[in-house]
Amino acid sequence: GQQVMQIPQYQHVQEGEDFTTYCNSSTTLSNIQWYKQRPGGHPVFLIQLVKSGEVKKQKRLTFQFGEAKKNSSLHITATQTTDVGTYFCAGYNDYKLSFGAGTTVTVRA
Amino acid sequence: DVKVTQSSRYLVKRTGEKVFLECVQDMDHENMFWYRQDPGLGLRLIYFSYDVKMKEKGDIPEGYSVSREKKERFSLILESASTNQTSMYLCASSLLRISYEQYFGPGTRLTVT
Repeated sequence: GQQVMQIPQYQHVQEGEDFTTYCNSSTTLSNIQWYKQRPGGHPVFLIQLVKSGEVKKQKRLTFQFGEAKKNSSLHITATQTTDVGTYFCAGYNDYKLSFGAGTTVTVRA
Repeated sequence: DVKVTQSSRYLVKRTGEKVFLECVQDMDHENMFWYRQDPGLGLRLIYFSYDVKMKEKGDIPEGYSVSREKKERFSLILESASTNQTSMYLCASSLLRISYEQYFGPGTRLTVT
């Protein structure tokens, strides 16, 4: 069955630094979504990517969908304390949305 | 704003009890979902529903059932709660297609003792 893997599981970042989290699927995806869950909160939708090679930006966040539509990345520049939380990718294919295990981000001030 | 509400934030039940978790959404969404969230495992789909009285099994349906009698309400039922069902349960809804963005409720942390 379809599996979505995320790496790393944990990311400890110094405030002001950049980091990237990666999402890989065992199958080709129709689209990929990214969600953010703050500590104690629930997942909140960030963005959806549909096209091969698509790149979208939201302020300091850059999302990319791979050419083969089997992987995606989220890059955060100049990390702030407000970036703390768990970032999930979710890949959609064949009427099924599969979530990765998430990357939990902590920030050192 | 879409609002998804869940009946309880915290729930403690005994092994063998029948447990009902309720979810209500106020935006006339066709699709509703139940997930459980466990550390290191992400969100795993238990059941989803794409219309009233319609349901589909997700990845981990064993030990659970669901009910959707009205469009806005989706219930998750644990027929006989067991300790391995201790978890965070999240309800979500989406408009039109399952591929659309999902809106999550605040979650219910269930402890089975």
